[in-house]
Amino acid sequence: GAVVSQHPSWVICKSGTSVKIECRSLDFQATTMFWYRQFPKQSLMLMATSNEGSKATYEQGVEKDKFLINHASLTLSTLTVTSAHPEDSSFYICSARVEREASEADTQYFGPGTRLTVL
Amino acid sequence: AQSVAQPEDQVNVAEGNPLTVKCTYSVSGNPYLFWYVQYPNRGLQFLLKYITGDNLVKGSYGFEAEFNKSQTSFHLMKPSALVSDSALYFCAVSPDRGSTLGRLYFGRGTQLTVWP
Repeated sequence: GAVVSQHPSWVICKSGTSVKIECRSLDFQATTMFWYRQFPKQSLMLMATSNEGSKATYEQGVEKDKFLINHASLTLSTLTVTSAHPEDSSFYICSARVEREASEADTQYFGPGTRLTVL
Repeated sequence: AQSVAQPEDQVNVAEGNPLTVKCTYSVSGNPYLFWYVQYPNRGLQFLLKYITGDNLVKGSYGFEAEFNKSQTSFHLMKPSALVSDSALYFCAVSPDRGSTLGRLYFGRGTQLTVWP
C-alpha cells in the first residue's frame, strides 16, 4: 500500500509554455501533499505544501504565480509550471502524507518524480 | 531552527561488510525520524521510521536504525551490505508530531557505494 504516482515521468517543453504535473495517491487519501524540487546530487527543496480544499502554502522564495498548485481532491494534486524557462529545468517530486493510522503518522510516500527540461 | 546533518557525502563499503550511514538532528521536542533511499532518476522510497518505543527500528531490505536521544542521532545500519544497496540515502525529521503541518526536514543525502 501507500503508492504515489506522478505523471508525466519526463517532459520537454519550449520556453514560455506551461507544464502540468500530476501527483496521485493510488490507495489512500491524502489531505496533505508536498511538492519538492531536486537539483543534481542535492537534497530535496520543499516548494509548497498542498492542502485539499484550500490554498497551498509556499516556502519562502517560491513564486506562487509561477508554480500553481491545485489540490482538488483527496487523491490528486497538480503542479503547473507557468511560462517555463530553462532555469526551471529540474527534477520535481511530490509526496503524500498518510494520516489514516497512528502507526503511519506523518509518513510521507513519494512519487517517482518528473524530469522537466525547458529548451 | 530545525536541521538535519548527514556528515558524510559518500560512504564506500565492500559487499558483505556492515554499513553505517550517519545522521544527527537538531529539532525541538520529540520528533519523528525517517530514512529514505533514492535510486537514480527515481523518487524516494521509505525505509524505516522511529516514532516511539524501542530505540532500534527495523525496516525494509534488512536495514535498521538506532535512535539515540542523548546524542540526537539516528544512524542507519545494515549487517551485510549488498551491491544493490548502492544509492542515495536521506535522513529526515518531522518535528511537528501529529500536527497538520507534517513537513519533513531532510539531510543533504549520503551516497552509498557498495563494491563487489
